[in-house]
Amino acid sequence: KAGVTQTPRYLIKTRGQQVTLSCSPISGHRSVSWYQQTPGQGLQFLFEYFSETQRNKGNFPGRFSGRQFSNSRSEMNVSTLELGDSALYLCASSTYGDEQYFGPGTRLTVT
Amino acid sequence: SQQGEEDPQALSIQEGENATMNCSYKTSINNLQWYRQNSGRGLVHLILIRSNEREKHSGRLRVTLDTSKKSSSLLITASRAADTASYFCATDAGNQFYFGTGTSLTVIP
Repeated sequence: KAGVTQTPRYLIKTRGQQVTLSCSPISGHRSVSWYQQTPGQGLQFLFEYFSETQRNKGNFPGRFSGRQFSNSRSEMNVSTLELGDSALYLCASSTYGDEQYFGPGTRLTVT
Repeated sequence: SQQGEEDPQALSIQEGENATMNCSYKTSINNLQWYRQNSGRGLVHLILIRSNEREKHSGRLRVTLDTSKKSSSLLITASRAADTASYFCATDAGNQFYFGTGTSLTVIP
């Protein structure tokens, strides 16, 4: 099976803009989770989608949102970007939310 | 606050030696998992241990779990240069995954 893919791999945005990141899970996986990784805060859970419904949510402001489509592909959107949003955004898929398979990540730089 | 804390933060050993890293967490869990990350790339799942298990092996990896102490350890035996990476524990508390701060392992050839 193909692994988890994330697009784009690198992104540079300006403060105040918005951005959409995409994640394609492993075929057959219905759960998709998103994480933000920064040197200072480490890996932090953003949210999890299962069968198109947000099942769990971390402690991030409403500027961070996501959705999942019927084919399990997921998108994450960040509006009104801030410098502190610069991070590696990781997507992970799993069958029911246990063992997770991570994509290579999207490195977002906000200037 | 983060659920998991790894110890030590950094570890440097010679090839062939064993590496042990520890993880402590705060709340009840369904399972605990260990992941490896190379140079700021995606994480690779290593092993999962459920809350009713005490020890698990996978190749050169040995994981223990002590739910009374809310701690886990990962032992990598006969380390190789290719094991150089950051290692994270992740706890499944039912509503979300919490990742620890990570242990940076360097294996010197």
